[in-house]
Amino acid sequence: DTGVSQNPRHKITKRGQNVTFRCDPISEHNRLYWYRQTLGQGPEFLTYFQNEAQLEKSRLLSDRFSAERPKGSFSTLEIQRTEQGDSAMYLCASSLRSISITGELFFGEGSRLTVL
Amino acid sequence: DQQVKQNSPSLSVQEGRISILNCDYTNSMFDYFLWYKKYPAEGPTFLISISSIKDKNEDGRFTVFLNKSAKHLSLHIVPSQPGDSAVYFCAASGRFGGSQGNLIFGKGTKLSVKP
Repeated sequence: DTGVSQNPRHKITKRGQNVTFRCDPISEHNRLYWYRQTLGQGPEFLTYFQNEAQLEKSRLLSDRFSAERPKGSFSTLEIQRTEQGDSAMYLCASSLRSISITGELFFGEGSRLTVL
Repeated sequence: DQQVKQNSPSLSVQEGRISILNCDYTNSMFDYFLWYKKYPAEGPTFLISISSIKDKNEDGRFTVFLNKSAKHLSLHIVPSQPGDSAVYFCAASGRFGGSQGNLIFGKGTKLSVKP
């Protein structure tokens, strides 16, 4: 399978713990995105990388959130001191071209976070 | 404030008939519009898009119409098939504020196509 891969698929944690999600994009895609989706809502943009550079961050990305893409390939999204409000599906996507040109993102299956 | 609105949370259609999903937007700076389809336990998949310089784009059974003056777009599926049952998200993008990474999604419409 050469699509976008996300791990783990489901994470249950206690409030206050740290969690990390990993995303492996489609190999030739240099653009990588993180979105968050809560129940009854559409995906909401968190952050965007072009190669290893983090070019955009949403105001949704509080200080407890950090994303990296150290070698321009896979990316990690870490949430520190998790809160119940962090419970959501975290979606990773990648693309070859800018969304302002084609708009097409290739999404992974998501990592569902449940904070107890 | 929602910039992309899908006012119908659900739609039920008979197999073989037309499905029409609607989307409204508020920001006139959007220059690209897209529809994504999402099955349970899967990520959204791209379906069809339209540039703001066009008013129609067709791909097989799927057609998207854009009415810029009304800030409205719609997705037509003809004929509808049971496999089309999914949640459909409308999304928009634009270079306002220098953004190149931000797709703005609506809340989605759940389409059920009954055999």
